[in-house]
Amino acid sequence: AQKVTQAQTEISVVEKEDVTLDCVYETRDTTYYLFWYKQPPSGELVFLIRRNSFDEQNEISGRYSWNFQKSTSSFNFTITASQVVDSAVYFCALRAFFQGAQKLVFGQGTRLTINP
Amino acid sequence: EPEVTQTPSHQVTQMGQEVILRCVPISNHLYFYWYRQILGQKVEFLVSFYNNEISEKSEIFDDQFSVERPDGSNFTLKIRSTKLEDSAMYFCASSGPATNEKLFFGSGTQLSVL
Repeated sequence: AQKVTQAQTEISVVEKEDVTLDCVYETRDTTYYLFWYKQPPSGELVFLIRRNSFDEQNEISGRYSWNFQKSTSSFNFTITASQVVDSAVYFCALRAFFQGAQKLVFGQGTRLTINP
Repeated sequence: EPEVTQTPSHQVTQMGQEVILRCVPISNHLYFYWYRQILGQKVEFLVSFYNNEISEKSEIFDDQFSVERPDGSNFTLKIRSTKLEDSAMYFCASSGPATNEKLFFGSGTQLSVL
């Protein structure tokens, strides 16, 4: 079965602090894709990043960075110098293809609040 | 960037009524999905649709639910007899022909069952 666990339900930090959102996944598939989506208060789901299981290089995009470690089945997301606009719910998700499944499986989400 | 469009953005209905939620996926996409999110909870998979048939469905997607792609552009979710617990945000999503592609989500339909 495919499963994504985001153990941190809520995180609250002060602006300009760095914050890391944890994500641990389970799958039996050898080929899979990991995603992060942001859900701001307006409710839409905003795609942030996709990473495939064969590419363990970390990625940085501005203040955002992602650390993929296959050995620990983790795909953590770090926001550097956080800003109030980063306040949102962040979802980690897994798309695997075991037995033909194509769906995206979401974690429970982490509600991030950045206080001024 | 191309968009998935969902209508209506809000729907209020009485318990026991039928509702149809509408979605226009991105035109060259082949995979279509419905997800729901009960207030404050995770985004849950309902059903995936490929090649004009359901490819997978969750245990939530019982006989009260059905999906259709009636005309090659729209993708609809019908709830036959709504219950209070069907109140949620419903997201439509689509993805392209390659299996490694991201899902594009619509902005959702907030369904309130009274």
